[in-house]
Amino acid sequence: QLQLQESGPGLVKPSETLSLTCSVSGGSISSTTYYWGWIRQPPGKGLEWIGSIYYSGSTYYNPSLKSRVTLSVDTPNNQFSLKLNSVSAADTAVYYCATDSGGYGLDYWGLGTLVTAS
Amino acid sequence: QSALTQPPSASGSPGQSVTISCTGTSSDVGAYNFVSWYQQLPGKAPKLMIYEVTKRPSGVPDRFSGSKSGNTASLTVSGLQAEDEADYYCSSYTGNNIFYVFGTGTKVTVL
Repeated sequence: QLQLQESGPGLVKPSETLSLTCSVSGGSISSTTYYWGWIRQPPGKGLEWIGSIYYSGSTYYNPSLKSRVTLSVDTPNNQFSLKLNSVSAADTAVYYCATDSGGYGLDYWGLGTLVTAS
Repeated sequence: QSALTQPPSASGSPGQSVTISCTGTSSDVGAYNFVSWYQQLPGKAPKLMIYEVTKRPSGVPDRFSGSKSGNTASLTVSGLQAEDEADYYCSSYTGNNIFYVFGTGTKVTVL
């Protein structure tokens, strides 16, 4: 069964870049079955889809974040990454990575990692 | 795109049923049969409970069911159990390669 694990700094200064990596085990990131997604949840608030990437490098972004987000895939290390630039306090959230069936559903989720912009 | 609208809370006694609505527009919920539902227990990651409006992933009890009429999707939990107490979020594909817009979330309380 697929397992995902987020990693990265828990504290980012305002105006700097948030960088997170999601390591995939139990399956290949080159699989044609899934896209690979990022979702975030501010403390006490709801879920927000950030974007998804296919193993080929095709990317799909939330329009509200598109100008600040970059997703990438690292096939040799079986992981994918999120970069969000020019962060502010509003970007403080738990960030989750997940497998994505291309809009049909987010199947497997990581445990999430809290990133504070302060 | 705007968040889908869910009631903030819903409740029921053990054994009863509770239904949560998820209202969107003719551009998202009404346009595609790509509505999914997630259960989030306190302090945990969300879990996929329903996808493509009515389908259940392996391992999800058949007490959970989904439906859609027009621009509104619904999740019904039958035979409520204490372990069903959680936040529930709907989501829909919106077209134009925008994969997910989420609902505002509903807290389900088992009385």
